[in-house]
Order: sequence, then C-alpha cells, then structure tokens
Amino acid sequence: GAVVSQHPSWVICKSGTSVKIECRSLDFQATTMFWYRQFPKQSLMLMATSNEGSKATYEQGVEKDKFLINHASLTLSTLTVTSAHPEDSSFYICSARDQGTSGNEQFFGPGTRLTVL
Amino acid sequence: SQKIEQNSEALNIQEGKTATLTCNYTNYSPAYLQWYRQDPGRGPVFLLLIRENEKEKRKERLKVTFDTTLKQSLFHITASQPADSATYLCALELDYKLSFGAGTTVTVRA
Repeated sequence: GAVVSQHPSWVICKSGTSVKIECRSLDFQATTMFWYRQFPKQSLMLMATSNEGSKATYEQGVEKDKFLINHASLTLSTLTVTSAHPEDSSFYICSARDQGTSGNEQFFGPGTRLTVL
Repeated sequence: SQKIEQNSEALNIQEGKTATLTCNYTNYSPAYLQWYRQDPGRGPVFLLLIRENEKEKRKERLKVTFDTTLKQSLFHITASQPADSATYLCALELDYKLSFGAGTTVTVRA
C-alpha cells in the first residue's frame, strides 16, 4: 500500500515556542491531506483538510491561526503549532488519499507525539 | 448530529477464539464503512472497506458485515492470535472526511 511519513516522530518543546510537523506521501501524489489530533484513549479528531495549492479547511473549534497548515506540493503538507501550550500536547496524525487510484481508503502517517512543557 | 459508537472499549479473548466488535451509527447514510487497526503510538492502518450494497466482506481471518437497516457493522477476527492485539476503529465518510469511532481495544491471551 501507499506510504505516508511524518517527521518528527516525537518532539518536546517549551511553552510559547512553535513546532512544525511534516507529512509526506512517499510513493504517490496527494491533492488532499488530512490532519488529526488524538488524545489518550480517545479517537482521532479531524482538525483540518489540507488542499494542495490552496488554503486549508478547518473543522469547527480548531483555531486556524494556531494550527497553520501549508500544502506546498502534491507530496508534502506541514502543520505548525504556533505558541504551543501544555494543552496542545497530543498525538498528531496526518493522512492522505492516493489520487491515482479509485480506492476510498486513507493512508495514515505514523503520527507525531508533541509534548509541551 | 452524526454519531459513531463502538460499544466495547475493551475486549479480552483467548487465543484461537473469535473476537466480534460492533460499530453503530446514527444520522448517517453512508455509502461505505471502513475498519482500521491502530497499535499504541502509531497511526491507523486500513483493514477493510464494505459498501452499502455488500452484506459481508472477508480478508484472511477478518470478516465484516454491514446492515444499513440496523445501522450497524460487525467486525470479526477469527482464530485470533496475540499479534491481533490492538485497537480497532470503525470509520464513516461524510463530505469526503472520515469520522472515527472511539475504538475497541482487543487483547488476545496466549
């Protein structure tokens, strides 16, 4: 199946700093990527839909100025958590669809564990 | 609003037995339903997709059923193995976006 990578796999930062997470589709092109957040023992919650070459679409309750998304190419989307605070500590996961196939499944990255001190 | 419920948070079974997980949904009319596996500290991995006109789908030891009248999907792991221990998530798509259930954590005892 298609492979999606994320970098870094984990990051620890001080409160008030910004953190950038990269999501790459390694062997396919993804016009659309998705960013999720998952708290312990909870399910994935969609934060935003990232569209190549255009602005991201954010879900209700997600601050677009805090979670900056850039989808500069068909294989790369980035999520920047600006002025991070301890409550932003979570597991961030991206996913992508392979536009070259007719399948409906999404391929997920391995996730990035963010800890804000 | 749409709701997806997986009625068991945890399921412990003996190796070799069949694990059955339930996913119920409300206020959806999905064209298909998906099941994913998630291991601790990892992203979900796609397992199976079943369409509304399919009653049953199989993949190796996995079997999924889909009852659009009951608004329910059942996910079966037959001849379970300790390596099947993980959290299993059902997901529905609406407006091109996936919504997930909370998941059922399966533990298979040797």
